Amino acid sequence: GENVEQHPSTLSVQEGDSAVIKCTYSDSASNYFPWYKQELGKRPQLIIDIRSNVGEKKDQRIAVTLNKTAKHFSLHITETQPEDSAVYFCAARPGGSQGNLIFGKGTKLSVKP
Amino acid sequence: EADIYQTPRYLVIGTGKKITLECSQTMGHDKMYWYQQDPGMELHLIHYSYGVNSTEKGDLSSESTVSRIRTEHFPLTLESARPSHTSQYLCATRRDTTDEQYFGPGTRLTVT
Repeated sequence: GENVEQHPSTLSVQEGDSAVIKCTYSDSASNYFPWYKQELGKRPQLIIDIRSNVGEKKDQRIAVTLNKTAKHFSLHITETQPEDSAVYFCAARPGGSQGNLIFGKGTKLSVKP
Repeated sequence: EADIYQTPRYLVIGTGKKITLECSQTMGHDKMYWYQQDPGMELHLIHYSYGVNSTEKGDLSSESTVSRIRTEHFPLTLESARPSHTSQYLCATRRDTTDEQYFGPGTRLTVT
């Protein structure tokens, strides 16, 4: 079955710097890759997603890139702000499934002012 | 506004008690999911449903059961709560024809 690895598990950056979180997946037929942000005590919120027919997607300060050949995808946050501090989860939807996402173990991002 | 509702939000209960965690949605979504998550940690799928009268166990073995009698409701029941059940339980939904999955606010359960 699908396996999603996420790195790093913790990431600390200075305000204004960029942050990059990487995920790899094992099922080459996976076709949908969302990213969720979970602030302390809150529900996971979908912040950006990408489908397998697209290589890159951007929404203001966040972007996601997908390399299907290498089976990895990354979240890029530019000009980080303290409110970006949260746990970020990547996920992959295996090809042929009914849509059960497989999640990475999460990255705790801390943005220091 | 369409949303996912979970009740109770917090529950402290003694060992051996039977509990039901409620999840209801006004999203109009067909698919619903239950995840177990220790705070800030990995999300584990414990149950899912693709529609009324459809329920399946997820990747993580769980002693809980679920039912889906109505599209809007997907309750989770623990027949006999144990301290090992202490965790946060998140309900999620997804429209059958789209990719996006949305989460409810969660129920934080503590079994003493």
